[in-house]
This record gives sequence, C-alpha cells and structure tokens, in this order.
Amino acid sequence: DTEVTQTPKHLVMGMTNKKSLKCEQHMGHRAMYWYKQKAKKPPELMFVYSYEKLSINESVPSRFSPECPNSSLLNLHLHALQPEDSALYLCASSPRTGLYGYTFGSGTRLTVV
Amino acid sequence: GESVGLHLPTLSVQEGDNSIINCAYSNSASDYFIWYKQESGKGPQFIIDIRSNMDKRQGQRVTVLLNKTVKHLSLQIAATQPGDSAVYFCAEIGGNAGGTSYGKLTFGQGTILTVHP
Repeated sequence: DTEVTQTPKHLVMGMTNKKSLKCEQHMGHRAMYWYKQKAKKPPELMFVYSYEKLSINESVPSRFSPECPNSSLLNLHLHALQPEDSALYLCASSPRTGLYGYTFGSGTRLTVV
Repeated sequence: GESVGLHLPTLSVQEGDNSIINCAYSNSASDYFIWYKQESGKGPQFIIDIRSNMDKRQGQRVTVLLNKTVKHLSLQIAATQPGDSAVYFCAEIGGNAGGTSYGKLTFGQGTILTVHP
C-alpha cells in the first residue's frame, strides 16, 4: 500500500459544528503532516507529527486541533470554524521528518457555511 | 522570510513541444528540491527530486536542473502531452539545522501548464 487515504472527500459544515478529518497510511511512515490549500495557492504547512508527537504547529488557530492516535492515523478536529477556513486540507506522510518520500492524499474539500 | 517562487504563473504549449517550468528559491541552506504535479481535485503528485549536491537529474520525459549559484530550479518536460496539463509546484526542504525552515517542505507559488492538442 503506497497511498495516503483521506476521508471524507468533501465536507460542508456550519460555523457551530464539530467535525473531524481523517488520514490513514500503511507505509510505515513515522512523520505525518496537515497542509491547507486555498484556491490557486500552494499548500501551506499547518502541523507536523513525528513518531506520533506534535513537533511543529505553524501558529494555527486553536479551532483546528490535530491528533495522532497511532503511527498510521492522523486526525484534524474542527470546531467553530469561519467561512475563510474553507479550503482543501491535505494530509501527507514521509518516512521521517524532513526526508524524501513525501506522499500526499487527495485531500478533503471543506466548505464552512 | 525564506521562500520558493516561480517566474511564470501560466504556460501554454502545443502537444509534442518541450515545456520548461522555472522556479527561484531564496533559502541557500535548502538541500533537497522536489517538483510536484497537481491535477484538479487531487493532491500533489511527486514527479522528480534532486539533492543540492547534484546539478541535473533525469526521469521518464522529465529533467530537473539545479543552479545553486543563482538559486534556480527548472523542470523540463519532453514531448508534452495533454495529460501533462496541471499545476506544477516546486518545493524545497530546509537543510539548516536549528533554522526555522529546517526539515519543512515548503511550496512555491505554482505554474499552470496547459497543453493544447
């Protein structure tokens, strides 16, 4: 298995809702990442997990809460989002932090209404 | 701050032509560069990479050139096909241990490649 799987593919949520994005990989990678991508812009790093521990938080608002339950799973919990948080949320993994072999999922298209 | 950027936001070519996509970077400590292709509705897909100790690397129909003197990276696609139409991003991993960009994969602004049949 050489894929990063993200669910759901599309999500529409209200500003008072709580939802979660899920990411899964079975490549044995020990680094996992969340990126946010707005339309016609490059992906921007949000969080980095290394060996299931949060190693980088790029000053992301607390309404985004990451979680890494085990080496194969990465979640992004969402609460009280704003319409400007609408974007494509990409998950990626790599063998170790900062090494070659980054693999990206297809993303979750999030719309906040 | 450190950045990776592109000279041209769009590139239109005819099928069969060769395409060249350029990228300028500013972090002289970067030690690893990657080109990604992103199609509509999909995540970035790895194309080819190059380490800072190399000047050139070739893959199937693609070549990456690295000029560290002027901090320039290019992607050459031979015999471009309609299926190559996508957004192409260069990206770099910071190599300066202790620096704020160390180990981070940072993307450039992207170039939209359109291939006409």
